[in-house]
Amino acid sequence: GQNIDQPTEMTATEGAIVQINCTYQTSGFNGLFWYQQHAGEAPTFLSYNVLDGLEEKGRFSSFLSRSKGYSYLLLKELQMKDSASYLCAVRPHNNNDMRFGAGTRLTVKP
Amino acid sequence: NAGVTQTPKFQVLKTGQSMTLQCAQDMNHEYMSWYRQDPGMGLRLIHYSVGAGITDQGEVPNGYNVSRSTTEDFPLRLLSAAPSQTSVYFCASSYRYEGTYNEQFFGPGTRLTVL
Repeated sequence: GQNIDQPTEMTATEGAIVQINCTYQTSGFNGLFWYQQHAGEAPTFLSYNVLDGLEEKGRFSSFLSRSKGYSYLLLKELQMKDSASYLCAVRPHNNNDMRFGAGTRLTVKP
Repeated sequence: NAGVTQTPKFQVLKTGQSMTLQCAQDMNHEYMSWYRQDPGMGLRLIHYSVGAGITDQGEVPNGYNVSRSTTEDFPLRLLSAAPSQTSVYFCASSYRYEGTYNEQFFGPGTRLTVL
């Protein structure tokens, strides 16, 4: 089977840094994705990692360790608009199948 | 560009009825997919397509059919609706970059209730 685990909920303070973890156990690995989804809206793409290391994109960074089956999404200088669910997804093979975790609901407080 | 569009936005069906959820994209993307999203379970892939005439099953294909006759359109058919198919359905599309399909663009979703 394919397992992708993330914390269900997190809370952080405006201006702070938060790290959302994702661990996966899949039959193969061909890329890891992070999406943001505001309540009642569609997911939007944040990042893609296929090699080990850190990918930085403005206030958002994503890290991957393939040997540990582990990724994290780092959000810096949190803003109220960052309150959303963050979805981790893995492409297990090169056939374009995709598996998503249940998502982490982040609440940013003043 | 309208991006990815889905119709209808909301639908209520009775058990046993059939219907088609429409999805279209105007970005000339090769890859299109359908997901369902249920509380606590995240997005689950139903079917996907890498081009006209090519479709494949995802994680939860049972009870759903798809076809891809054009690059733009990727309809999802529910053959005989069941209450277990009550969900929010998202269509998404993607383009090939360096040999793979990465960033997916999602439509606004269809909220389906089966009574």
